[in-house]
Amino acid sequence: GENVGQHPSTLSVQEGDSAVIKCTYSDSASNYFPWYKQELGKRPQLIIDIRSNVGEKKDQRIAVTLNKTAKHFSLHITETQPEDSAVYFCAASDLSGGYNKLIFGAGTRLAVHP
Amino acid sequence: NAGVMQNPRHLVRRRGQEARLRCSPMKGHSHVYWYRQLPEEGLKFMVYLQKENIIDESGMPKERFSAEFPKEGPSILRIQQVVRGDSAAYFCASSPPPIGPGDNEQFFGPGTRLTVL
Repeated sequence: GENVGQHPSTLSVQEGDSAVIKCTYSDSASNYFPWYKQELGKRPQLIIDIRSNVGEKKDQRIAVTLNKTAKHFSLHITETQPEDSAVYFCAASDLSGGYNKLIFGAGTRLAVHP
Repeated sequence: NAGVMQNPRHLVRRRGQEARLRCSPMKGHSHVYWYRQLPEEGLKFMVYLQKENIIDESGMPKERFSAEFPKEGPSILRIQQVVRGDSAAYFCASSPPPIGPGDNEQFFGPGTRLTVL
């Protein structure tokens, strides 16, 4: 089965700096890679996703890159703000079975200091 | 369009009791996923259901846990004879049938936090 690794487990940055979170996956059949943000006591919320037919996707201050050969993908947040502080989870899924069984990484706790 | 609903939000049970967690998917969504999140950990897939069918239960413990998604009503995750190790947040998520490339997103409910005393 799929295994997803995520690092770092904690990340502390100054407001305005960039933050990078990296994930690896083991199953070459995985073709969908979403990123979720979870604030304390809240539900996970999708912030960006990428499919295996593209190498990079950007949405304002957030970007995700995917390297299929190396089986790793990364989340980049630029110009960080205190409200970006949360736990971020990467996930991988193989959509070819007709459904979206997400295998999550262990999470990265991001703290953005003013 | 109301989001994914879960109830109760908090549930306290004593060891040996039963826990019933309910999930109402978003309107128009026929696919439901259940995940478990232990404290300070990521979410772990448990089971995937469509209306009246369990499609993938590979992440669900073989004993004490069961799930259903009847034709009418919410999806139910049932835990019999709960133990302290069952204490966790249980999230359900729903999605529409994956017809197009934009249909993959799962919308999560607020979760049920189960505490076993």
